Amino acid sequence: DTEVTQTPKHLVMGMTNKKSLKCEQHMGHRAMYWYKQKAKKPPELMFVYSYEKLSINESVPSRFSPECPNSSLLNLHLHALQPEDSALYLCASSQLDLVTYNEQFFGPGTRLTVL
Amino acid sequence: AQSVSQHNHHVILSEAASLELGCNYSYGGTVNLFWYVQYPGQHLQLLLKYFSGDPLVKGIKGFEAEFIKSKFSFNLRKPSVQWSDTAEYFCAVKTGTASKLTFGTGTRLQVTL
Repeated sequence: DTEVTQTPKHLVMGMTNKKSLKCEQHMGHRAMYWYKQKAKKPPELMFVYSYEKLSINESVPSRFSPECPNSSLLNLHLHALQPEDSALYLCASSQLDLVTYNEQFFGPGTRLTVL
Repeated sequence: AQSVSQHNHHVILSEAASLELGCNYSYGGTVNLFWYVQYPGQHLQLLLKYFSGDPLVKGIKGFEAEFIKSKFSFNLRKPSVQWSDTAEYFCAVKTGTASKLTFGTGTRLQVTL
């Protein structure tokens, strides 16, 4: 299984809602990532989890709250978002070992619209 | 901080034309280099990668890239493009042992029949 799955595919939420994005991989990867991609722009890194611990937070606003309950799952909890947070949210995973070539595998993304 | 530049923002080619997309990065140390493709409505897929060894790297779908260390470049090439190559192409760089992948701004390739 060389797939990263993400649910839901589409999400529309109001600014007062609380929702969660989910990501799952069964490749045995111990690094998982959240990216944000606006239209016609490259993905921007938000968070990195290494061995289920948050290792990188790219100064993301606290209305985005990541969680890694186990080595296969990654969640992104959303609360009080703004319309400018509307974007495609991508999850990725990679091996994490002493060798540096940890290629990242991307999921299809969740297209989020904040009204 | 490292940066990745893709100078071609939008490229339009006819089928069978040759392709070269530029990618330059700013980091002077050890780098791992990647080209990803994003077809319309689909997720990012890895085309090819360079870690070490032969600087000419061959990827999927007939793509190749050449790492030129002295020029800090990793240009993507394909001898003859097809209509199905229409997509957004992203160059990405990872430095040292860091987990962070830095993407270029992307090049939109449009192949006409």
